[in-house]
Amino acid sequence: DTAVSQTPKYLVTQMGNDKSIKCEQNLGHDTMYWYKQDSKKFLKIMFSYNNKELIINETVPNRFSPKSPDKAHLNLHINSLELGDSAVYFCASSQGLERDTQYFGPGTRLTVL
Amino acid sequence: AQSVTQLGSHVSVSEGALVLLRCNYSSSVPPYLFWYVQYPNQGLQLLLKYTSAATLVKGINGFEAEFKKSETSFHLTKPSAHMSDAAEYFCAVSGRNAGGTSYGKLTFGQGTILTVHP
Repeated sequence: DTAVSQTPKYLVTQMGNDKSIKCEQNLGHDTMYWYKQDSKKFLKIMFSYNNKELIINETVPNRFSPKSPDKAHLNLHINSLELGDSAVYFCASSQGLERDTQYFGPGTRLTVL
Repeated sequence: AQSVTQLGSHVSVSEGALVLLRCNYSSSVPPYLFWYVQYPNQGLQLLLKYTSAATLVKGINGFEAEFKKSETSFHLTKPSAHMSDAAEYFCAVSGRNAGGTSYGKLTFGQGTILTVHP
């Protein structure tokens, strides 16, 4: 039973395309996140949703649009992909915002050619 | 705003030796601190966390960390390294504003790659 799952695991696409990454958690958590890990392994938060409401929106290009259809899902749609979008994207979830552990998915490695 | 600095991007130890991974934080409010481990091609797994209870925190796989407010540090240690400890380790601080309200943002350090030699 995977707690936080992401699909696809690998995504290779051409510049200019639009793609989506899906995330699902079966932990009953009310908060979900998207992080980007660049080629130097630096992790940075992109978005956070709490009870389907956007609460963190870091300085991410508006080509990136998160969508939370329900508390168990947080998808990431990316328009007009650029070379610099190549990275590993991690979804995470937690119960609450503060001291609670964030559980990470396995990651989606996006390669833009 | 919070920030985290991990001293040493690479640490190499022999199997059975002490592991010490350094983390210093900056926070204008009492911090919540975390150590995560990432094995190759996997997601992050929590090792331990400090949430203002005991300053010495014990985690999984024999790791522990001590919160030292005076030194703004949260170093990770393990008395005896095992080959399976080879991974990348991330220190993180939970985001809170001046009023103490959390918004769930984790700010990560740059990561430290731990290599364990036989």
